[in-house]
Amino acid sequence: AQSVTQPDIHITVSEGASLELRCNYSYGATPYLFWYVQSPGQGLQLLLKYFSGDTLVQGIKGFEAEFKRSQSSFNLRKPSVHWSDAAEYFCAVGYTGGFKTIFGAGTRLFVKA
Amino acid sequence: GAVVSQHPSRVICKSGTSVKIECRSLDFQATTMFWYRQFPKKSLMLMATSNEGSKATYEQGVEKDKFLINHASLTLSTLTVTSAHPEDSSFYICSARDKAFSNQPQHFGDGTRLSIL
Repeated sequence: AQSVTQPDIHITVSEGASLELRCNYSYGATPYLFWYVQSPGQGLQLLLKYFSGDTLVQGIKGFEAEFKRSQSSFNLRKPSVHWSDAAEYFCAVGYTGGFKTIFGAGTRLFVKA
Repeated sequence: GAVVSQHPSRVICKSGTSVKIECRSLDFQATTMFWYRQFPKKSLMLMATSNEGSKATYEQGVEKDKFLINHASLTLSTLTVTSAHPEDSSFYICSARDKAFSNQPQHFGDGTRLSIL
């Protein structure tokens, strides 16, 4: 069965420090992979996606993610975090012709001054 | 970019009433829309897949008679929570797939905060 695991419930980083949010997935075929960000009480905004091709994907707001098939991972990174990056981050995998998407449990990012 | 409008953004009502939530794709046609439920500090749980002109497909454990979904046009899907009770209080989010770009990710609405007293 398909699944998405985000092992870190919450992470705290200092403003200006680098960030890596972990994501592992379980899926029999090549997955469609996404990272979304959600601010409190808001919907989801797509940060980036991977369908095929270059395994290092660039997204909005300075985020990038790397697809590693051997590790079934799609970790999100940012070289320098800003206070406005504090939010909930969801990794997701899309599958089937109906393009369903399942989400990880999310990682809450806290940014300290 | 593609925009999905969800209305209302917040609703508070008494136990036993029915509540309708609308999800509209503003600048694209959506043959498929999805309804999610999110509990506090939890992830999104897919409730159902809504296909234009046909019956919705519900995920296991989701009550069809409780959560009525209608997708009457390519730009509108509605979720009606019937005879709502406090345990139905939650954050409901819809998303839509662009008919013209079927291999692109879903576009999400801003969600509806439902509170049942």
